[in-house]
Amino acid sequence: EVQLVESGGGLVQPGGSLRLSCSASGFTFSSYAMHWVRQAPGKGLEYVSAISSNGGSTYYADSVKGRFTISRDNSKNTLYLQMSSLRAEDTAVYYCVKSRIVGATVFDYWGQGTLVTVSS
Amino acid sequence: DIQMTQSPSSLSASVGDRVTITCRASQGISNYLAWYQQKPGKVPKLLIYAASTLQSGVPSRFSGSGSGTDFTLTISSLQPEDVATYYCQKYNSARVTFGGGTKVEIK
Repeated sequence: EVQLVESGGGLVQPGGSLRLSCSASGFTFSSYAMHWVRQAPGKGLEYVSAISSNGGSTYYADSVKGRFTISRDNSKNTLYLQMSSLRAEDTAVYYCVKSRIVGATVFDYWGQGTLVTVSS
Repeated sequence: DIQMTQSPSSLSASVGDRVTITCRASQGISNYLAWYQQKPGKVPKLLIYAASTLQSGVPSRFSGSGSGTDFTLTISSLQPEDVATYYCQKYNSARVTFGGGTKVEIK
């Protein structure tokens, strides 16, 4: 059974930093691109970042480019999102998401999400 | 950037009604379109990909159609458990974009 378990969320002040982790199991983690999608309270879904299966290629939404860094450790089956210079508008539930198949950005498994609150 | 516009933003229908949700892309995206269902307080669930392919385990009352810029998600007979917000998503490039969502309620 595929499982994605996020951790690391919490309350942080504007300008602060936070690192999210996503522990994956139930599939060959090293074969799939992985992604972060976020959802602000009461709002829709926003695609944040992606990383290729070997970590060699990354993508960032314009809203987080230069502030967030995605990475992965295939030996630990873990995905990360390092967030810095956080703003109030980064407040959201952050979901770790798996691609349905290699090479297609369709998401078949989602973690339960971890809430990041940016507030003073 | 390609924008994804869903309509309506919300709808209310009776159990057993046929419900149609529309998603329009500002430029052609072939059939690189997925639909997700998010029930209140739950995680999004993949319903349809490649515009019309039903994800395994999804009830057959859900269907998708379209290509290019205009797409539809149809629920052939609305059930109480279908109360949710539905999102379309384009994936023809790395710049993935979701539609704004359509909230479906029971009348």
